[in-house]
This record gives sequence, C-alpha cells and structure tokens, in this order.
Amino acid sequence: SQQGEEDPQALSIQEGENATMNCSYKTSINNLQWYRQNSGRGLVHLILIRSNEREKHSGRLRVTLDTSKKSSSLLITASRAADTASYFCATGKTGANNLFFGTGTRLTVIP
Amino acid sequence: EAGVAQSPRYKIIEKRQSVAFWCNPISGHATLYWYQQILGQGPKLLIQFQNNGVVDDSQLPKDRFSAERLKGVDSTLKIQPAKLEDSAVYLCASSLERTFFNEQFFGPGTRLTVL
Repeated sequence: SQQGEEDPQALSIQEGENATMNCSYKTSINNLQWYRQNSGRGLVHLILIRSNEREKHSGRLRVTLDTSKKSSSLLITASRAADTASYFCATGKTGANNLFFGTGTRLTVIP
Repeated sequence: EAGVAQSPRYKIIEKRQSVAFWCNPISGHATLYWYQQILGQGPKLLIQFQNNGVVDDSQLPKDRFSAERLKGVDSTLKIQPAKLEDSAVYLCASSLERTFFNEQFFGPGTRLTVL
C-alpha cells in the first residue's frame, strides 16, 4: 500500500513549544503534501514538497523529505492553541492524479 | 472564491435505507473526488472524476455505492442500501485539471450515522 503512516498517533504540547510529526510511506512518490483537519471539518492543504526537494518552509511550518528513507517530517514552531487539529500526510505518485492519505497525528496544544 | 460545497452536513439513517450526498466543487476545477473517512482514520478515495468521466473507482463498493457527475460540475454520491459500517464522514474534494502536483481542496464533509 502507498498509504503513509504518521507518528506519533497523538501529541500533546504546551503553547509556544514546537511540534514535530513524522510520516513514512512505502512506494516511490513525486510529491508529498500535509493537510490539517480541525474537529468535524474538512481538510485544509498546508504545504507541498516535491520529490526533488529536501526542505520547505511556509510561515511557522517546516517540512523535510528524505526519499531514501521514504519519510517526511512536519515541524510547527511556536505552537498556538489554534493549531490543535489532526495532521495528515498525503503522497502523490508519478502518473496518477490521486493522493494516498496517512492515518494522521492528533495534535493538542494546551494554552 | 467560494470553496467546495457539500450537503447535507449530517445525516442519520437506519440500516438498509438509502442516502444521497451532494457536492459542488470550486468553479473551474475539472477533477472531483469523493473520500470516505472512518473515525480515527485518514480519508480513503472512493471515486475520482475528470469532468464527467470516471478516472478511478477501484475502491468504490459498487454493489451499494454509486456516484455521478452528469454535467461535469456538481456530483452526487449514493448509498443503497446502507450498512452499519458505512458510518463515516464523506468528503468531497476538487482540484484543477492541469496541475502536475495535485493540491486538493476539500469541502466540510457529510457525517453519516447508520443505526
């Protein structure tokens, strides 16, 4: 299966701390995306990293990709209570239009 | 720009009943997806449309699920008859046709409870 797996399944931190989530996948990809899902809501696209990129930044988000290890990490710096949500990685494969979503990390930021 | 619209937001039905969900994608987005998200899991693709044609329905339980996108714009997903295990959030997403990297825009979802 191409589906990614996030680690940890759940993470609880204090406001202001950094949060790191990891994603592992099994097959070759051409891009990896991270999405956020607030409770009871749809998913929101956060950031996309291409297979030939190693690191990407967007605001307080930093994503890394290691294709040799088939893994990615999402770092949220200076977390806020509003960052409380589930975070999913999704992988895209060359020649395919669909995405395969992981199982998600549930992040709780305590004010 | 208006986002992906879905209705209803919530639906409760008895098993063996039928249910239908509606989705209106972002204007100009040729590709439309229906996902099933069971509680505690990531979204699983059920069906993907390119305009009004089906691109991938390999994970759609075709004995009970059907979907259409007749005019290449809005879409309906139907379950008939529903089973208890169909309880989930049904997410609709859309994306531009000519993007190599497939950023998808999601609607708020329909939460289905089958009793």
